[in-house]
Amino acid sequence: QQQVKQSPQSLIVQKGGISIINCAYENTAFDYFPWYQQFPGKGPALLIAIRPDVSEKKEGRFTISFNKSAKQFSLHIMDSQPGDSATYFCAAGGSARQLTFGSGTQLTVLP
Amino acid sequence: DSGVTQTPKHLITATGQRVTLRCSPRSGDLSVYWYQQSLDQGLQFLIQYYNGEERAKGNILERFSAQQFPDLHSELNLSSLELGDSALYFCASSVQSIAGGYNEQFFGPGTRLTVL
Repeated sequence: QQQVKQSPQSLIVQKGGISIINCAYENTAFDYFPWYQQFPGKGPALLIAIRPDVSEKKEGRFTISFNKSAKQFSLHIMDSQPGDSATYFCAAGGSARQLTFGSGTQLTVLP
Repeated sequence: DSGVTQTPKHLITATGQRVTLRCSPRSGDLSVYWYQQSLDQGLQFLIQYYNGEERAKGNILERFSAQQFPDLHSELNLSSLELGDSALYFCASSVQSIAGGYNEQFFGPGTRLTVL
C-alpha cells in the first residue's frame, strides 16, 4: 500500500504557539520523508526532510520527529508566525524516487 | 522562484479536447516529474522522466502522455478531456541520478486546467 495519511486537515494556532501535523505510512520500503509548504497560487516547496536512520531533525523553528516502529512522522512548528499560514504536505519516497503525498493540512496562524 | 517554469499558467478548454502543458526544469536538472493536484485527490504523482527516458509511472491515465526532449524540457499531453481532469498540474525537477539517493524536487508554479 502506497498511502500516506495526514492529519489534521486544518489547524488554527495562535501566534507564538506550536503547530503539530502528523503523518502515518504503511509501506516499510519508504526511506525518505520530506515536508513541503505550499502558499496559495504557488507550487510546493521543500521545508525539511528526514531519513529513517534518525529520529529527529531540526531546522530553525521546524522539527521532524520520526518513529520508525510506529511508521509515523510529524512536523512541529515552534513559535508559529502568521507568515507560516500555508498548506503543509508530508510525503514519503521509496526506491522508485517518486513521492507519495499526504492529503495536506491547511495551517492558519492567528496574529 | 524555484527555477522551474511552466506554461501556460491557466488553460480553459472544453470536454473532448486535447491540451499540452510545458515544463522547463532548473538548469542542470535531469529529472522531471509531473503531478496532478485536485481537491478530492490531493497531490498525485503522474510520471517521471530522467534525461529523456521514462523512469517511473504513477496514477497516469491512458489518455495522458508525456515526453522529455533533448533540451530536457518536458510536455504533458492530455487528450479526450473530461470535467474531472480539471486540476492544477505541477512539474518538478531534480538532479536525481539513476542510482543516487534522494535530491530535492523543485516545483514549478503549476498550470491550472479548467475543462468546461
